[in-house]
Amino acid sequence: GAVVSQHPSWVICKSGTSVKIECRSLDFQATTMFWYRQFPKQSLMLMATSNEGSKATYEQGVEKDKFLINHASLTLSTLTVTSAHPEDSSFYICSARPGTSLSTDTQYFGPGTRLTVL
Amino acid sequence: GQNIDQPTEMTATEGAIVQINCTYQTSGFNGLFWYQQHAGEAPTFLSYNVLDGLEEKGRFSSFLSRSKGYSYLLLKELQMKDSASYLCAVRERSDYKLSFGAGTTVTVRA
Repeated sequence: GAVVSQHPSWVICKSGTSVKIECRSLDFQATTMFWYRQFPKQSLMLMATSNEGSKATYEQGVEKDKFLINHASLTLSTLTVTSAHPEDSSFYICSARPGTSLSTDTQYFGPGTRLTVL
Repeated sequence: GQNIDQPTEMTATEGAIVQINCTYQTSGFNGLFWYQQHAGEAPTFLSYNVLDGLEEKGRFSSFLSRSKGYSYLLLKELQMKDSASYLCAVRERSDYKLSFGAGTTVTVRA
């Protein structure tokens, strides 16, 4: 159990376009989902916390109008990088915290999405 | 704010033991996690400590001392597949947000 998927696995886009990344919890309901960004040889930096049915909470320095998060259901959250630029190229990882069916002490991570903006 | 420190790199021989230390200074504490991350992949959960002491899971053990702001991950009987980055993460509050250290890259040599 506790599988989280992300789609797409990797994406290459032109500067100025928007890219949507999906994060799904496959076998549990996720009370909360988190979005992280990881640059090469650096650790994960939390971008935002997403709760189903409510607005996402963004970390300091993360532009909410640039990184749009929608948590439409207990199993799906999406991150849209709007007007992407080369500096947005990174590894984007989501994680999900189960509700009551599994231990709530652990976040389960998706496989990540590698975004390259040309 | 938070400050989570761990060594950048460690190298060990197959079959040996390696200990990865993590020190933290955070405004609150509600648990410490260790994750393993292979290059280009997402982190996978290894261990969780919220009380002082040692938690053992097979070849991996994790220790916590809250008074010292210190944890370590012990990897025994190292295998080549253990070559990866190991991330120490602290949960400061009950909101389940994690703050990660920069990670320790462990290289296992034959």
